[in-house]
Amino acid sequence: GAVVSQHPSRVICKSGTSVKIECRSLDFQATTMFWYRQFPKQSLMLMATSNEGSKATYEQGVEKDKFLINHASLTLSTLTVTSAHPEDSSFYICSVKGNNEQFFGPGTRLTVL
Amino acid sequence: AQKITQTQPGMFVQEKEAVTLDCTYDTSDPSYGLFWYKQPSSGEMIFLIYQGSYDQQNATEGRYSLNFQKARKSANLVISASQLGDSAMYFCAMREGRSNTGKLIFGQGTTLQVKP
Repeated sequence: GAVVSQHPSRVICKSGTSVKIECRSLDFQATTMFWYRQFPKQSLMLMATSNEGSKATYEQGVEKDKFLINHASLTLSTLTVTSAHPEDSSFYICSVKGNNEQFFGPGTRLTVL
Repeated sequence: AQKITQTQPGMFVQEKEAVTLDCTYDTSDPSYGLFWYKQPSSGEMIFLIYQGSYDQQNATEGRYSLNFQKARKSANLVISASQLGDSAMYFCAMREGRSNTGKLIFGQGTTLQVKP
């Protein structure tokens, strides 16, 4: 399967700042990537579908101006949490669409103080 | 609307015993895929097994097997010969058939604890 990395693995920031999370597909050309958010002890909730070279498709209830997604190449998608607030603290996971399954990155734990 | 339901928030199993984790789904689409993922405390999502809606046989992968009952819309995961390392959260997921994006909808998850 595809190897997916995320950077950073952990980030702590002050309220009001912006945080960028990178998702890289190391050995697979990913035209489609997904971004999920997971709160403690809860399920993964899809935030958006990231398509290489085009605009991301956001799920209902996800603010596109707050969660900026850029998928500029077949190996990199970025999620920027703009003007982060404590309620944005969560585990953010990206995945790469394969033939059948999705291959997940290791996740990024964001803590907003 | 599609929905995935895992009704067991937590399960215990004795080491070396088998355990079944329940998953039911709801879709009107004849074409769909069902997945199970394991999430240990580190947070990574580990793909375990896949079942396509048109697959005639139940999927198996080593100690993992999927009990696919299409009429009942259930896709239970069976883990045989449990090991301490199997302690983790397990998610059932479904891929939309109509959509070509391949996005997954996840169940609520089941926390499995293997007792020595």
